[in-house]
Amino acid sequence: EVQLVESGGGLVQPGRSLRLSCAASGFTFDDYAMHWVRQAPGKGLEWVSGISWNSGSIGYADSVKGRFTISRDNAKNSLYLQMNSLRAEDMALYYCAKDMSPNWNYVFDYWGQGTLVTVSS
Amino acid sequence: AIQLTQSPSSLSASVGDRVTITCRASQGISSALAWYQQKPGKAPKLLIYDASSLESGVPSRFSGSGSGTDFTLTISSLQPEDFATYYCQQFNSYSITFGQGTRLEIK
Repeated sequence: EVQLVESGGGLVQPGRSLRLSCAASGFTFDDYAMHWVRQAPGKGLEWVSGISWNSGSIGYADSVKGRFTISRDNAKNSLYLQMNSLRAEDMALYYCAKDMSPNWNYVFDYWGQGTLVTVSS
Repeated sequence: AIQLTQSPSSLSASVGDRVTITCRASQGISSALAWYQQKPGKAPKLLIYDASSLESGVPSRFSGSGSGTDFTLTISSLQPEDFATYYCQQFNSYSITFGQGTRLEIK
């Protein structure tokens, strides 16, 4: 059974940093691209970032480019999102999602339950 | 970035109804479109990919069609568990985007 478990969310002040983690199990992690997708309270889905199976190709939404960094550790079956210079508009539930392909530009067939990031002073 | 516009934004329907949701892309995306279902407090679930391919385990009452800029998700006979919010997603460009969502409510 595929499982994606996010962690690392919490309350953070504007301008500070936070690192999210996603622990994956139930599939061959290094065969697939992975993503972060977020959802602000009561709002729709927004893709944040994707990373290919070998970290060779990475993409970011314009809204986070230059502030967020995605990475993965295939030996640990883990995905990460380093979030710097956080803003109020970054407040959301952050989902980890598995891509159906090795490259990050496809669709998300499994999702975690999300970790909540609250940005407030 | 390619923009996706869903219509309607909300919809009321009854069990047994046939329902169609539309997703229009701001430029042609071939068949690079997926549909997701999200219920309150839950993660999204993949329904359709490549515009018309049914994800494994998804009931056959769900179907997708379209290519280029205009796409539809059809539910042939609404079931009580289908009341949810539906999102389209494009993966044609190297910046993935979602539609704003369509909330399907019980009439």
